[in-house]
Amino acid sequence: NAGVTQTPKFQVLKTGQSMTLQCAQDMNHEYMSWYRQDPGMGLRLIHYSVGAGITDQGEVPNGYNVSRSTTEDFPLRLLSAAPSQTSVYFCASTGQEGRSPLHFGNGTRLTVT
Amino acid sequence: SQKIEQNSEALNIQEGKTATLTCNYTNYSPAYLQWYRQDPGRGPVFLLLIRENEKEKRKERLKVTFDTTLKQSLFHITASQPADSATYLCALLRGTYKYIFGTGTRLKVLA
Repeated sequence: NAGVTQTPKFQVLKTGQSMTLQCAQDMNHEYMSWYRQDPGMGLRLIHYSVGAGITDQGEVPNGYNVSRSTTEDFPLRLLSAAPSQTSVYFCASTGQEGRSPLHFGNGTRLTVT
Repeated sequence: SQKIEQNSEALNIQEGKTATLTCNYTNYSPAYLQWYRQDPGRGPVFLLLIRENEKEKRKERLKVTFDTTLKQSLFHITASQPADSATYLCALLRGTYKYIFGTGTRLKVLA
């Protein structure tokens, strides 16, 4: 059982480049989310989705786009990368809000130069 | 706005002692509070969940308390071991779907 899979593990971008961080889960979870983790800031919610075709903004959505066309996949797009987006990005999923734990991937470490 | 505070400084304790980590929150009354463990280079891993009507929850050497009056949760690891060294995060649910995390406390258990 793979759980939550994130790719790539590492990425270096130049300012202005675009890229998509991939997230896939095989647990048939309706809820999926993206977080960024920065030193001293903890995990901050970027976007989340409660099912295919439904997405909403978290605390820090600016500069990021998401879509949810299938239950399994929830990609995060950076349209024009900025150095402030240098961070570690985590994808997480759960079957039931609050009452069930979040299952996290192992993260994508992104550096924007 | 909702704020969760955890001790930002690292906690060093001797092997065999009980480690106690604190999670304080403001401006909200969550129905659930969760604790996670995070090792370097890895995603957080769920440990325990406690509901607002539960005062205490235990799992093996782990114990969590939840005081909704003080707006505080305590996380205890008894008989700590070097393998318990990690960063521990608390999280609560804001509304229906927004999980909010604390910054985490780094625990180091000295052999």
